[in-house]
Amino acid sequence: GAGVSQTPSNKVTEKGKYVELRCDPISGHTALYWYRQSLGQGPEFLIYFQGTGAADDSGLPNDRFFAVRPEGSVSTLKIQRTERGDSAVYLCASSPSPRGGGGTGELFFGEGSRLTVL
Amino acid sequence: GDSVTQMEGPVTLSEEAFLTINCTYTATGYPSLFWYVQYPGEGLQLLLKATKADDKGSNKGFEATYRKETTSFHLEKGSVQVSDSAVYFCALRPTTSGTYKYIFGTGTRLKVLA
Repeated sequence: GAGVSQTPSNKVTEKGKYVELRCDPISGHTALYWYRQSLGQGPEFLIYFQGTGAADDSGLPNDRFFAVRPEGSVSTLKIQRTERGDSAVYLCASSPSPRGGGGTGELFFGEGSRLTVL
Repeated sequence: GDSVTQMEGPVTLSEEAFLTINCTYTATGYPSLFWYVQYPGEGLQLLLKATKADDKGSNKGFEATYRKETTSFHLEKGSVQVSDSAVYFCALRPTTSGTYKYIFGTGTRLKVLA
């Protein structure tokens, strides 16, 4: 079956612009996660959805970042007034259950959206 | 707070060499431990995992043992291949609050030469 799909794969924008990044999780996965990976770093937690609701958005760096998942499937990460420091790879992952992988703990990752803010 | 520390790369080995990538962690309780691998142009994928002390995870010739006494989860492979060239991430899943907040190390790039 299809894996986690993220679009766009690459996005170049100018400082101050608005950006949307989309994630289409594996069908049937109720849990969805957004992580951010800066150059030379590991993925860092941003936000976790269980169904339609954001169960934990404590990793979002500031109020310019917002994410939605209105129908419990596709999610969109929205960044307002982008800054150069927002440049990173934004990773989306999904899992069948809140604890990941139906108990296995596995997260299924997309290939990421590389954001470059000039 | 919880954290993961893994050895810095890049690691360059000849084909059939022995591989060790060190990973240590700090966590309260008994976290689950993972190794994820990212091949060029692909997303992160689970390589192996261990959920309790002394468990050994293994896959594709790789293995790692959950050592609570040394808070370590080192990745090993007896004979690497060119196709193993990738970035390897050690990660933990907390068992206290925020069990969905997986914590990743910074990644170790492995390059295997023919």
